[in-house]
Amino acid sequence: ETGVTQTPRHLVMGMTNKKSLKCEQHLGHNAMYWYKQSAKKPLELMFVYSLEERVENNSVPSRFSPECPNSSHLFLHLHTLQPEDSALYLCASSHTRTSGLNEQFFGPGTRLTVL
Amino acid sequence: AQKVTQAQTEISVVEKEDVTLDCVYETRDTTYYLFWYKQPPSGELVFLIRRNSFDEQNEISGRYSWNFQKSTSSFNFTITASQVVDSAVYFCALSEAKTTSGTYKYIFGTGTRLKVLA
Repeated sequence: ETGVTQTPRHLVMGMTNKKSLKCEQHLGHNAMYWYKQSAKKPLELMFVYSLEERVENNSVPSRFSPECPNSSHLFLHLHTLQPEDSALYLCASSHTRTSGLNEQFFGPGTRLTVL
Repeated sequence: AQKVTQAQTEISVVEKEDVTLDCVYETRDTTYYLFWYKQPPSGELVFLIRRNSFDEQNEISGRYSWNFQKSTSSFNFTITASQVVDSAVYFCALSEAKTTSGTYKYIFGTGTRLKVLA
């Protein structure tokens, strides 16, 4: 596989469920990102990992918990979500500053619906 | 504060018309990067172009062209002879150059939905 992949593509969950979103990149990048895209809002950066270390957390509620076990994989663990968390969750990856150009490459997203 | 404004929420054109998508940005940095991404209905953002703040040359790639003007803080995107396949949401983004972690933080505009009618 090439590029950035995300699974599942669609997820419906209740407010008491626990689920995880998975992202995998095959581009040799060493930085990964989670974004939230809600209707009529700009993309919101949630988390940034560089070399598997979390370097940014944009005031995201604790019901979202990221995990980056290695530079190719990124997870977003979800628990006790609210209906307003329904959105498209996008994963992206890039080189870090010292290793290459800075455009981010995005996955197709997971469309999350919280009932 | 950094900000990206895409004032056009939605544009509809008839196939073969030219269309320009506007992007205005704000930043205090002297070194920064500007991007355009396309998001088709499938959801994936597709990278189109990157520009750094020191390169004001306009660029043309096939039917796509970009006009970067620092004097007006604008980075506009023109599609010539539009096609139905160009229908998508287009995002302009600004990237900070100064990050201690070595990663790049993007500030996205709200996007412009382009509908090209056959």
